Amino acid sequence: DIQMTQSPSTLSASVGDRVTITCRASQSITGWLAWYQQNPGKAPKLLIYRASSLESGVPSRFTGSGSGTEFTLTISSLQPDDFATYYCQQYSSFPYTFGQGTKLEIK
Amino acid sequence: EEQLLESGGHFVQPGGSLRLSCAASGFTLTSYSMNWVRQAPGKGLEWVSSLSANGLAIHYADSVKGRFTISRDNSKNTLYLHLNTLRADDTAMYYCAKARSGDLSPWGQGTLVTVSS
Repeated sequence: DIQMTQSPSTLSASVGDRVTITCRASQSITGWLAWYQQNPGKAPKLLIYRASSLESGVPSRFTGSGSGTEFTLTISSLQPDDFATYYCQQYSSFPYTFGQGTKLEIK
Repeated sequence: EEQLLESGGHFVQPGGSLRLSCAASGFTLTSYSMNWVRQAPGKGLEWVSSLSANGLAIHYADSVKGRFTISRDNSKNTLYLHLNTLRADDTAMYYCAKARSGDLSPWGQGTLVTVSS
């Protein structure tokens, strides 16, 4: 199975900050990576697919990059709605696997 | 608008069984791969199972293989997850989600399964 490791597990930041979350795969997944945002008590929401493609309706302050084994999600200027938990997911092969999550907290 | 609505979650004793349903609207299940993902209380996301668009390819996580079965009713445009021999560590919110290449969207709101004696 492909292991996905996110860092950091928790990130404290302020409105307006630029933040970056990293996701590493235990083997190459080329570009088969998605990023999701989850708010408490809600279902996850797709933000980025194919490592860098922005899902329709998602604000352009979200940017995904990377290929192979190392990927990043960057939020250019944090807004109040962005304080949530973020997960990466590989879909290069079954079983699909998720990172353990990064909780973005208000500083 | 594409929507998914899960149901069937319940409190059940260890060793029991449940059937979860996921009713799709705004698209046809036979055109897309469909997946189940679960989330234990306070924990991260765990992929559970996948059913291909043509219904011929089925995959399961090792943690549920042999106990859970994914299926669908094309006439009802509904996806199912049959859960057997339930254990305490199966306690979770269960989400269904539509897949494109494997990226999942949309997701349903989830249905809660609690396994406890």
